[in-house]
Amino acid sequence: QKEVEQNSGPLSVPEGAIASLNCTYSDRGSQSFFWYRQYSGKSPELIMFIYSNGDKEDGRFTAQLNKASQYVSLLIRDSQPSDSATYLCAVNSGAGSYQLTFGKGTKLSVIP
Amino acid sequence: DAGVIQSPRHEVTEMGQEVTLRCKPISGHNSLFWYRQTMMRGLELLIYFNNNVPIDDSGMPEDRFSAKMPNASFSTLKIQPSEPRDSAVYFCASSPDGPMNTEAFFGQGTRLTVV
Repeated sequence: QKEVEQNSGPLSVPEGAIASLNCTYSDRGSQSFFWYRQYSGKSPELIMFIYSNGDKEDGRFTAQLNKASQYVSLLIRDSQPSDSATYLCAVNSGAGSYQLTFGKGTKLSVIP
Repeated sequence: DAGVIQSPRHEVTEMGQEVTLRCKPISGHNSLFWYRQTMMRGLELLIYFNNNVPIDDSGMPEDRFSAKMPNASFSTLKIQPSEPRDSAVYFCASSPDGPMNTEAFFGQGTRLTVV
């Protein structure tokens, strides 16, 4: 069974700090990795994807992937109160499939 | 494009009743997914269609659940008979065929309450 694990939180950080969100996955054959943000009562929306080992930066967000350790993370620099949400890690096993396996999410709270 | 459209947004029904959730994917998207989200279990994939054909329904909890996609622009998820433990938010998502970074776009969800 493919599993994606995240710390449920809540993770509280002060405004302007770096928030670090972590995710591990069980399927070693997984090929692409996604971070979704979900505000309370809303649907998930994509923030970033990554499929190569290393770092990928997009504005205040950096995704990090280590396939050997089966670990993916999301860093949010200069955290803002508007970043307060649940962050979902999702994994695609590839092999021609487009289905994603989601973690349960980490709830982030940015304190003004 | 209006995005993925789900209806109804909220549904309250009595145990034993039939419930039908509806989804219109984004035009041109080949894949459609039904997910269920609860606090306890998170976001679970129920069924995945590609080009209107069910590819993986291993997440469908039991025979009370069924899903159809009669054409590229419409899908239904039916629960018959419904039970209180089916209470959850049900999301429909769609994505185009493409490289492995292909994004899934979610509808606004249907919040189902079975009493």
